[in-house]
Amino acid sequence: QQQVKQSPQSLIVQKGGISIINCAYENTAFDYFPWYQQFPGKGPALLIAIRPDVSEKKEGRFTISFNKSAKQFSLHIMDSQPGDSATYFCAAGGNRGNKLVFGAGTILRVKS
Amino acid sequence: GAVVSQHPSWVICKSGTSVKIECRSLDFQATTMFWYRQFPKQSLMLMATSNEGSKATYEQGVEKDKFLINHASLTLSTLTVTSAHPEDSSFYICSASASGSLPDTQYFGPGTRLTVL
Repeated sequence: QQQVKQSPQSLIVQKGGISIINCAYENTAFDYFPWYQQFPGKGPALLIAIRPDVSEKKEGRFTISFNKSAKQFSLHIMDSQPGDSATYFCAAGGNRGNKLVFGAGTILRVKS
Repeated sequence: GAVVSQHPSWVICKSGTSVKIECRSLDFQATTMFWYRQFPKQSLMLMATSNEGSKATYEQGVEKDKFLINHASLTLSTLTVTSAHPEDSSFYICSASASGSLPDTQYFGPGTRLTVL
């Protein structure tokens, strides 16, 4: 019940295309859903986050879509660029004293 | 804002020695700090949660006597890997959570690559 399932495991997108990564959770007590971007050998960097009171949040080329009834949320990267090539992790939190539960990660490669 | 640093960025040590890794929040006060371990091409595994001035809470399966955590101030937490062995080689990452209206937000450090020979 504490798991966050992330898909796909890897993704190849052409430059300028839309990258879509999906996550699903079981625990309805989760109320905070961040996405992190990680480059090789670096720590994860917070990209964008959403709370269940909204269904969508957009920051620049990055958008989170949130479906509370389906317990799913997704990250959309518009106009994907080679510099976006990284590993992306979704996470869920808020029910265990600030702890986050991470998805398995998605390796994104944007081809130029 | 919300910058977290780690030191050292990488360390190589001999088997049986102890290694200390520092995690600092540079521009905010971190009421809670977290320590993660990450193996190649895998997700982050939470090792422990530390609150300033109190004992760390370890996740199931993490040896608290092997991974000593100290959170002495609102800007500094340390992880000491005692009697390190080659299987302890990994990427260790800390994160910090600020007090205030968004307590769930975690800001990560750049990580420390530990190699035990």
